[in-house]
Amino acid sequence: AQKITQTQPGMFVQEKEAVTLDCTYDTSDQSYGLFWYKQPSSGEMIFLIYQGSYDEQNATEGRYSLNFQKARKSANLVISASQLGDSAMYFCAMRNKNTGNQFYFGTGTSLTVIP
Amino acid sequence: DADVTQTPRNRITKTGKRIMLECSQTKGHDRMYWYRQDPGLGLRLIYYSFDVKDINKGEISDGYSVSRQAQAKFSLSLESAIPNQTALYFCATSDPGRLREDTQYFGPGTRLLVL
Repeated sequence: AQKITQTQPGMFVQEKEAVTLDCTYDTSDQSYGLFWYKQPSSGEMIFLIYQGSYDEQNATEGRYSLNFQKARKSANLVISASQLGDSAMYFCAMRNKNTGNQFYFGTGTSLTVIP
Repeated sequence: DADVTQTPRNRITKTGKRIMLECSQTKGHDRMYWYRQDPGLGLRLIYYSFDVKDINKGEISDGYSVSRQAQAKFSLSLESAIPNQTALYFCATSDPGRLREDTQYFGPGTRLLVL
């Protein structure tokens, strides 16, 4: 069963605008972690932001924030003031203690920032 | 110097050949992972190791084997390569303990083409 769903295969955003990348997850565990990674065209996987299931505040890291809605099981990534260098693939991932701490990745969203 | 290194970075091989992909890390993490990435499928876990004496199969272990030679080294072998093993392979490491600190950090990837 797919645990992470990213429904937007491709997104476009104007430079300096904000963009939201969607992620929903499926788990019956109470303790889990949610992650976002960026993969530029060069191929490396870059960790962006983390949200724990017990965290009461939404995570923020610079221009990245995570809109965590636990009841809806969604963990959307918000990028503010988009830059050309934000053009990349973005992957949402989840880790559950009860599944041996394995990571499950979504299929990714390709973001293109338009000048 | 990179914390997680993979060798080779690119490899072309023929069907039936044995090939080994190597991963080294200087982060001091106990946990290491091998993933493969295929277009449209995101990252899928092949094998993971929580310490030198611990090896676990992931979602897609058939056709692969691993060796954890030391805390810092984790190798992935394809005993008899086949074309559908053509993919981008990632090694990752993580540190157990607090949930937040089990974030996975990725190597630069190895592009493998099996002819």
